[in-house]
Amino acid sequence: DGGITQSPKYLFRKEGQNVTLSCEQNLNHDAMYWYRQDPGQGLRLIYYSQIVNDFQKGDIAEGYSVSREKKESFPLTVTSAQKNPTAFYLCASSLIQGSNQPQHFGDGTRLSIL
Amino acid sequence: DQQVKQNSPSLSVQEGRISILNCDYTNSMFDYFLWYKKYPAEGPTFLISISSIKDKNEDGRFTVFLNKSAKHLSLHIVPSQPGDSAVYFCAASAALSGWGKLQFGAGTQVVVTP
Repeated sequence: DGGITQSPKYLFRKEGQNVTLSCEQNLNHDAMYWYRQDPGQGLRLIYYSQIVNDFQKGDIAEGYSVSREKKESFPLTVTSAQKNPTAFYLCASSLIQGSNQPQHFGDGTRLSIL
Repeated sequence: DQQVKQNSPSLSVQEGRISILNCDYTNSMFDYFLWYKKYPAEGPTFLISISSIKDKNEDGRFTVFLNKSAKHLSLHIVPSQPGDSAVYFCAASAALSGWGKLQFGAGTQVVVTP
């Protein structure tokens, strides 16, 4: 079955620690995205990538970093510079050929501070 | 500055009746609109979309209406079923601001009662 796999489902971070969230897709999608969801709010775009070795900042990139070394993988690192990291993180992917391709989401990682 | 707004945080509807979810936007450059459905602790699932060249798109029980002059779209679910109980997000993008940059509303919690 094709899909997007995020791991782990739950993650705890200590103060001053960097943590990395995994996102893998086997849909052969070109583009991948990271969003953050806070309670009572919509999703906000952190980073996105159209092709391997290229990525762009979204609306709230400060305190986060990404890499895109493989088409299938787009890991997100939450650095110690992110002062309010507690949130639900969602990874998505989409085709980019043609226009107006919907994004498809993984099941998310919930990050909490110890 | 929230460009996509869902002003009703919750909606309760009886099974078999119509659910109407509303969404307003402020950016006149938006040209692609989507609705997603989300269950707790899962990622959003794509439901239906509409391009700005149309004013209606239908898929089974789901119909999306777009009123560009009012910068308003709505999702109709007919008939509503218990499995429709979820949070629904409206999202929009503008080709000129870059592919894939979706702006999300805060969501509407729908509860379908027997």
